[in-house]
Amino acid sequence: GAVVSQHPSWVICKSGTSVKIECRSLDFQATTMFWYRQFPKQSLMLMATSNEGSKATYEQGVEKDKFLINHASLTLSTLTVTSAHPEDSSFYICSARSGKIAYEQYFGPGTRLTVT
Amino acid sequence: GQNIDQPTEMTATEGAIVQINCTYQTSGFNGLFWYQQHAGEAPTFLSYNVLDGLEEKGRFSSFLSRSKGYSYLLLKELQMKDSASYLCAPMDSNYQLIWGAGTKLIIKP
Repeated sequence: GAVVSQHPSWVICKSGTSVKIECRSLDFQATTMFWYRQFPKQSLMLMATSNEGSKATYEQGVEKDKFLINHASLTLSTLTVTSAHPEDSSFYICSARSGKIAYEQYFGPGTRLTVT
Repeated sequence: GQNIDQPTEMTATEGAIVQINCTYQTSGFNGLFWYQQHAGEAPTFLSYNVLDGLEEKGRFSSFLSRSKGYSYLLLKELQMKDSASYLCAPMDSNYQLIWGAGTKLIIKP
C-alpha cells in the first residue's frame, strides 16, 4: 500500500517554456503533499507544502510565481515550472502524507527535468 | 538553527555489519526517519523512531537517543543492493522533515 506516482518520469523542454508535473497518491488519500528538488549529490530541498483545497506554503527562497502548485483533490497535486531556465534542471520529487503511520511521507519516483 | 550531521561516505564488505550514525539539532522533535535512496531514485522509507531505544526490522535496525540528539541505522548481512545513500531525517515541531545530504554507503564484494 501507500503508492505515489509521478508523471512524467523525465522531461526535456526548451528554455522559456512551462512544464507540468503530476503527483498522485494511488491507494490512499493524501491531505498533505510535499514538493522537493534535489541537485546531484545534494540533500533534498523542500520547495513547498501543499494541502488539499488551500494555497501551498512555499519555503523561503522559492518563487511561488515560478513554481505553481495546485492540490485540487486528495489524490492529486501538480507542480508547474513556468518559464523554465537551464538552472531549473533538477530532480523533482513529490511525497504524500497518509497520516496512518506517524506522519510518514511516501515518495513518488521523481521527475528529472532538463531545460535546454 | 537546524542541522543534521552524518558521515559523507562509508565503505563496508558484503555480509558484514555497518552502523551509520546521525546527530541532529532541531526546533522541537517529533520523531526521526531513516530513508534509503538509490542513485537517481526517490527515497524509500526504512524506519521511524519516536521513543528512545532500538527498533528492529529484519536486517535493518534503528536506534534513537533523544537526550543526546543521536540516532544510528544498523545494517546486518550486507548485500550489494544495499549500496545507496541513507538519509537521517528528524521531524521538527512543525512536523517538517529536516534533510541532510545523507551517507553514501559503498558495499564491496
